[in-house]
Amino acid sequence: DAGITQSPRHKVTETGTPVTLRCHQTENHRYMYWYRQDPGHGLRLIHYSYGVKDTDKGEVSDGYSVSRSKTEDFLLTLESATSSQTSVYFCAIRNNLGGRYPNQHHNEQFFGPGTRLTVL
Amino acid sequence: SQQGEEDPQALSIQEGENATMNCSYKTSINNLQWYRQNSGRGLVHLILIRSNEREKHSGRLRVTLDTSKKSSSLLITASRAADTASYFCATDGVWSGGSNYKLTFGKGTLLTVNP
Repeated sequence: DAGITQSPRHKVTETGTPVTLRCHQTENHRYMYWYRQDPGHGLRLIHYSYGVKDTDKGEVSDGYSVSRSKTEDFLLTLESATSSQTSVYFCAIRNNLGGRYPNQHHNEQFFGPGTRLTVL
Repeated sequence: SQQGEEDPQALSIQEGENATMNCSYKTSINNLQWYRQNSGRGLVHLILIRSNEREKHSGRLRVTLDTSKKSSSLLITASRAADTASYFCATDGVWSGGSNYKLTFGKGTLLTVNP
């Protein structure tokens, strides 16, 4: 599972408050991703990172910012949470370790367990 | 916009039957992947098929890819109740190198396998 953890796993907050979600990986993967998953929309990319301090926007980046000061941590921040940001948030890494692991390939993504965020 | 679109949105079958899910996409791809998600969990990678491959097998899974039709299918043979999950296809577009590696996921097919 590429040692991916997310914290917190559940959070309830109020509109207008800042929220930071953390994704942590232990295997030195270069690429990390934040997605949100909503009924009827599937999985949508928010932001991604291709190295320390290197990030780029995804499909639904408005209202979100990210930071990656260390290889192992990728933070997602909602500067001022809104009810439309109620969702399940998944972090993922791209496997760049290739044949190091049996039956695995470059390019597949490994996902964290998710964070359920409710904005009231 | 969604690159991959799965069909059907939901599928209910009996244990032992085969399940077929389809994925259509819009632009050229480097590879196509299928993922599985159990309720309340993260996605798990199942299988990857490259654009120059037409068919791939992994255990009870069989994936086909038709780049001329921009479509893929996932077949699960001899299904089990434990196969109950949502299944997603994901495409990556044609990657020319650099930093822009992203997957685009479809909305998924919810498969229910009844015991």
